[in-house]
Amino acid sequence: KAGVTQTPRYLIKTRGQQVTLSCSPISGHRSVSWYQQTPGQGLQFLFEYFSETQRNKGNFPGRFSGRQFSNSRSEMNVSTLELGDSALYLCASSLIGQVQETQYFGPGTRLLVL
Amino acid sequence: GDSVTQMEGPVTLSEEAFLTINCTYTATGYPSLFWYVQYPGEGLQLLLKATKADDKGSNKGFEATYRKETTSFHLEKGSVQVSDSAVYFCALTLNTGGFKTIFGAGTRLFVKA
Repeated sequence: KAGVTQTPRYLIKTRGQQVTLSCSPISGHRSVSWYQQTPGQGLQFLFEYFSETQRNKGNFPGRFSGRQFSNSRSEMNVSTLELGDSALYLCASSLIGQVQETQYFGPGTRLLVL
Repeated sequence: GDSVTQMEGPVTLSEEAFLTINCTYTATGYPSLFWYVQYPGEGLQLLLKATKADDKGSNKGFEATYRKETTSFHLEKGSVQVSDSAVYFCALTLNTGGFKTIFGAGTRLFVKA
């Protein structure tokens, strides 16, 4: 079974631009979560989607948004990029997003904002 | 608020040494607890988990016990190998109207031959 895939793997943008990242979960998984990983703040929860609905959101500004499609694929968007948005963005999937479930992580998209 | 605190690294050990990485948490509700590991050049993956008090998770010689009374989930291994060199993350998952995971800062482990 294929793992979680994320595209693109690397991105370079300039301040003020916007970016869209994509995540394809493991086949059959319906919950997708997004995380931001930086050396200073570590791994921080962005949001979780299940059946095309955002069920939970972390403490990030409204510039960070996402969506989930009917095939469970998910995208996240960051508008008006800031230097501090440079990070590794990880996507993880699980079967139905229950507390006891294991999350399976993708390789991440590394975003550099200049 | 909900949080996970784990010991700062890096931790450097010789092969066959005993490993403990401390992890404590604060959480509203009843979380599930996890240890995830990130090997060099690889993605984050589950090492072990425990979903209720007094459960012991184990995998690849690593163990951790869910201690509700001390809100802890310390990771231990009796004899580390060079191949265990990685970054270890303690995490909790909560249901707060939706699924949410909080990670500790991560502990980098170096094992010398």
